[in-house]
Amino acid sequence: GQSLEQPSEVTAVEGAIVQINCTYQTSGFYGLSWYQQHDGGAPTFLSYNGLDGLEETGRFSSFLSRSDSYGYLLLQELQMKDSASYFCAVRDYTGGFKTIFGAGTRLFVKA
Amino acid sequence: KAGVTQTPRYLIKTRGQQVTLSCSPISGHRSVSWYQQTPGQGLQFLFEYFSETQRNKGNFPGRFSGRQFSNSRSEMNVSTLELGDSALYLCASSFEPGQGTFSSTEAFFGQGTRLTVV
Repeated sequence: GQSLEQPSEVTAVEGAIVQINCTYQTSGFYGLSWYQQHDGGAPTFLSYNGLDGLEETGRFSSFLSRSDSYGYLLLQELQMKDSASYFCAVRDYTGGFKTIFGAGTRLFVKA
Repeated sequence: KAGVTQTPRYLIKTRGQQVTLSCSPISGHRSVSWYQQTPGQGLQFLFEYFSETQRNKGNFPGRFSGRQFSNSRSEMNVSTLELGDSALYLCASSFEPGQGTFSSTEAFFGQGTRLTVV
């Protein structure tokens, strides 16, 4: 089967940097995505890593190590509006394509 | 370009009843996935459809079913509702890139249907 692990909660102060880790187990790994979801809202796409390395999009960066089955999302210059849940998601092709989400990390940004 | 539209937004049903939820993907997107979201459980994968074919199914009982039409619109059905089926049901659509290139399959989510079973 497939499984993803990420911390349930992270707290950081405004202006700081925070890293949310994600480890996964799957036999048909294709790529790792990150999504943000505010309370009452729909998940929105943040980034994708198909190959090893770092992808940067503004204040957000995402990293993938396929050999370690590990990735992380890095948020810099934290703002209050970054308080949300962050999900890592594995694109898997075992038995046909599907995207499996982790349980999510709740980020609290304090002033 | 219109986003993903899910109807209805809210639904209250009684145990034992059945329900059908609808999802209209972004124009040009042929892949539609369904997820169940409950507090603290993340998004649980239900099914993924591509060009009217179910590509994969999650670990849900047979009471959960779905289909996709030729215009890529999708429906999911839950029969014999149980209290535990109360959740937010999310639909996501994506444009299907070429395979074998590890390219992104960015999913665009609808606002969801909030189902309450009483």
